[in-house]
Parts: sequence; C-alpha cells; structure tokens
Amino acid sequence: DIQMTQSPSSLSASVGDRVTITCRASQGISNYLAWYQQKPGKVPKLLIYAASTLQSGVPSRFSGSGSGTDFTLTISSLQPEDVATYYCQKYNSAPFTFGGGTKVEIK
Amino acid sequence: QVQLVQSGAEVKKPGSSVKVSCKASGGTFSSYAISWVRQAPGQGLEWMGGIIPIFGTANYAQKFQGRVTITADESTSTAYMELSSLRSEDTAVYYCARDALAARPDWFDPWGQGTLVTVSS
Repeated sequence: DIQMTQSPSSLSASVGDRVTITCRASQGISNYLAWYQQKPGKVPKLLIYAASTLQSGVPSRFSGSGSGTDFTLTISSLQPEDVATYYCQKYNSAPFTFGGGTKVEIK
Repeated sequence: QVQLVQSGAEVKKPGSSVKVSCKASGGTFSSYAISWVRQAPGQGLEWMGGIIPIFGTANYAQKFQGRVTITADESTSTAYMELSSLRSEDTAVYYCARDALAARPDWFDPWGQGTLVTVSS
C-alpha cells in the first residue's frame, strides 16, 4: 500500500506568515490528492482536490501544488481562524490513505 | 445539497459489536461511494473501507479485514458500518463520507457529523 507522509507534524507561526505543509507519497499518485482542514472538535472540511483545485468557498490564501509523489499546501498569510490540523489524502485507488496530519498554531 | 446524518453515540463492552448508520439526503445515493473513516482521541484520520451502493461490494483496509462489514440499503439511502470484536483501542469518532463525484474514486465531500463509539468495560 502507498504511504502518505506529512511534515512537519506541527508548526507555530505568526499571523500573516506564509505557511507550507508538505505531503509525500511512497509511490506516484499523479494529482489524486486532497487536503482537509479539521478544527478541534469539528468534522474535516475539504480545502483542495486534484492537488491544486480550491474547493468552492475556501479562502484564496490557501493553495496546493505538486504531482507524482511530492505535494504542498500553502497558506499565504496565516489567519487566527486557520488554527487547525491539516491532512492530505490520496484517492487514486483504495486504500484511501491519509497523511498523519500537521497541527498549525499561532505563535 | 447532499447531507449525511449519522446515528448517535454508542457505549459498548469489549468483545461486542457496534453498527453505525449514515443516512444520505438531498441527492443521489446509489452511484456514489461511501467511505468510513475513524479518528481515535487525539489521533489522525484512518480510512476503514467503503462501498458503492449500486454495486454492493465493499472494500476494506487491510487492518480491519475480517472485523468490519460495510453495507448499504438503497431503499433508505443509508450506509452502515459494523465493527466486531471491539476492544478499547476502537474507541473513536467514526465518520462516513461520500465521494464528491460518482462512479470513480474521489475526494470526500460531504462528511457525516461523526459518531462517538466508546468501548469500555
């Protein structure tokens, strides 16, 4: 099975900072990658699909890139409401594995 | 706008089974895969398995093979996840989630509200 590895596992940044989270697949998955945001006690929310397509209603400060095995989620200007854990997920074929998550906090 | 509504919280004894339901409303049910994802306290998201109701055949993560059964009832637009031989490590929030598009693997949107299953003697 393909493994999904996220880094870092946690980060602390200031409001307005540019934040980058990486996700690496153990084998190529083309662009079959999604990113989710999960705030404490809440249901995961889709942010990005097809590696770089922003879900409707998601702020434009979020962006995704990558293809094959290496992917990134970028928050261009971190806001207080972005405090959450972010997960990548492969969906090219089962099992639809998630990365381990990246917890984002405000410094 | 499709909504997924899950059954309520459960408390189970070790060794027993639990069956969680996920009812879809507001859209087509049969052609879209429904997956089950669990999240243990303080842990990440873990895909357990899924089913496309119109085909009726489920596939499962290797970790749960033999212990989980996922089914779907097209007549009531409801998917079910049954987990047997429960142990304390199965204490988690269980989510159902639907593929965004029909008839092919996709990202998950929407998600159910989650069902807390607590396994305790």
